[in-house]
Order: sequence, then C-alpha cells, then structure tokens
Amino acid sequence: GQQLNQSPQSMFIQEGEDVSMNCTSSSIFNTWLWYKQEPGEGPVLLIALYKAGELTSNGRLTAQFGITRKDSFLNISASIPSDVGIYFCAGREGTYKYIFGTGTRLKVLA
Amino acid sequence: SAVISQKPSRDICQRGTSLTIQCQVDSQVTMMFWYRQQPGQSLTLIATANQGSEATYESGFVIDKFPISRPNLTFSTLTVSNMSPEDSSIYLCSVGTPYNEQFFGPGTRLTVL
Repeated sequence: GQQLNQSPQSMFIQEGEDVSMNCTSSSIFNTWLWYKQEPGEGPVLLIALYKAGELTSNGRLTAQFGITRKDSFLNISASIPSDVGIYFCAGREGTYKYIFGTGTRLKVLA
Repeated sequence: SAVISQKPSRDICQRGTSLTIQCQVDSQVTMMFWYRQQPGQSLTLIATANQGSEATYESGFVIDKFPISRPNLTFSTLTVSNMSPEDSSIYLCSVGTPYNEQFFGPGTRLTVL
C-alpha cells in the first residue's frame, strides 16, 4: 500500500544534539500523527497535528503540520539516550484511515 | 488514552496452522483497527473491525485469510489463517478517538516456521 517517505532513514547523533526529521507525501492529509516505537513495543503517540501550519510541542519534541498539507516535521531538542527508537509519521486519508511513513531510526551516542 | 492489551504477546507457529490474536480495551471504543508490521518495516492497515458487522478490509487483505470478530465495543480478534513464513510479522491492534488519534496495543510477534 501507499507509504509516506520519511527522511532521514536513520541517524546517529551525539547526546545533547537537536534532531530533525520530516515526512513527505504526494497526497494532502487532514491530520498528522507522530509516533515512537521501541523494540518489542507498540507505537506510542507523541504528537497530533490538525491544521496546516500548526506547530505543537510535547516536552522536548516539536512537530509542525506543513503549509501545503503534504508534509510534516518533527524536531527533538537536546537529545538523550532514551530517545533511541523508530519514529513514524502517519497522515490521515479520508475519515479514519492512516497511512504510515517509512520510519526514521534514531540512535543516540552518549 | 485507553489501555490496550493483546494476547498472545508472541508465538511460534507451524505453517498451515491458524492463530487467533485477541485485543482487549479497558473502555468502550467505536473504532478498532488491525495492522501488520513486517520485519523492519512500517505499519500497514489490514482492516477496520466493525462492531456488529463484517470488518472492512484494505486492498490486499481478505476475510478468508484474516477473519476478524468484534463482538462488543471493548474486544476484537484477528485470526491469521493457513499461515506461511511470509505471515511472520508483528500484528497490532489500535483504537481510534473522536479527535482522530490512534492508540496502539503492544503487538503480537508471530513467527511461522
């Protein structure tokens, strides 16, 4: 099925650095969700975005709903070792169906 | 957010057999979904579990292979039928909220030999 393109695919960063990742699509979405998944667990919802241009924060995480409604961005400030995991974006297509991104694997070097 | 549990958490099965996965939610929810996450991959929606009626399947997924039950607003099952090694995946249930959020269970890790 359709997937959203996430960039980068993976990244190693030093503890304390800021992290940016994005999600792009050829389709317009009405809602964007960002998740984090750790090994052996289900995805955990981090942030939900509902309007084009919306900027929402959750602690050290900030996400934005792109103006074109075809993209979204997630920033993590001052990364710590427990930020390790796979981050997925998801865009809402239609009433309830979400299309998930390909994922960004984050590894933090202490 | 709702607390979602899944059983079993993992299983190793022989090809040709079937496995039924249970999803229990601690509150009544209208929307429940089943996803598949193949090894190292993203999540793909299998179907929407509708209470009191047949599930709505996404392209590429059929009822004969993935029968779903939804007897009430807190419980659903997904059966993976006549399994092959290609069915080895994580199977996740999720619930939808009126705010268009989706929350996931911990997943069932299935290995088919």
